[in-house]
Amino acid sequence: EPEVTQTPSHQVTQMGQEVILRCVPISNHLYFYWYRQILGQKVEFLVSFYNNEISEKSEIFDDQFSVERPDGSNFTLKIRSTKLEDSAMYFCASSRSSQETQYFGPGTRLLVL
Amino acid sequence: QKEVEQDPGPLSVPEGAIVSLNCTYSNSAFQYFMWYRQYSRKGPELLMYTYSSGNKEDGRFTAQVDKSSKYISLFIRDSQPSDSATYLCAMSGSFGNEKLTFGTGTRLTIIP
Repeated sequence: EPEVTQTPSHQVTQMGQEVILRCVPISNHLYFYWYRQILGQKVEFLVSFYNNEISEKSEIFDDQFSVERPDGSNFTLKIRSTKLEDSAMYFCASSRSSQETQYFGPGTRLLVL
Repeated sequence: QKEVEQDPGPLSVPEGAIVSLNCTYSNSAFQYFMWYRQYSRKGPELLMYTYSSGNKEDGRFTAQVDKSSKYISLFIRDSQPSDSATYLCAMSGSFGNEKLTFGTGTRLTIIP
C-alpha cells in the first residue's frame, strides 16, 4: 500500500539554525500539506500546496517558513531561523484531490535547543 | 468557543466493550468529517471518512454524523487491546477549503 514517507525521523538543531524537513507524498497525489503537533497539543494546520503554489497558510506559517516541491517526488518544509517554540512533530500529508482524505506521514520530530 | 471540541480522556474500558468517542464543532462550514487513529509518536492514520449526516460502518467501527447538532461520534464494537491509541476527529469545509481542523484527541486504553 502506498504511503507518505518523511525524513529525517528526528532532527535536533540549535536555535537560529535552518532546517529542512523532507516528505515524499503518495505518487498520484496532487495536494500536499504540512501540519505540526506540539507535544501534548492538537495537530495544527500549517500550509497547503497545489500546482506549485501555496493554496492556504495558517497564522503559524510566517516568513520563517517556506515550502517547495523541488522535483516530481519531494515536498519540503524549510524553517529559516528556528526558535525554541518550533520544537514539535511535523507531519506531511497528501491527497489526490482537495475533496478527498489526507494521508499522513510518520512525522519528523524537531527539537530546537 | 473552540472550533472543534473533543474530550481528551483518558478513557479506559475492558476488552470487548463498546467504545463511544465524540466531537462537537461550531463551524457550520465543516462538511467532511474524519476519524484518525494515532499511536504514540506516530502519524495520524485514517480510520473513517464521512460526508453526509447519518451512519457509516466499516467492520467494528461506525462513524455517526449529526450536522443539525454539530456532533460526530465514532463507535468501536468488540474493542481489542490493539485499539488502544489516541483517536482524533478532524473536519474540513466545502470545496476550496482544504485544511483539516483537528480535535485534541481522546486517549483510549483497552484493558485485557
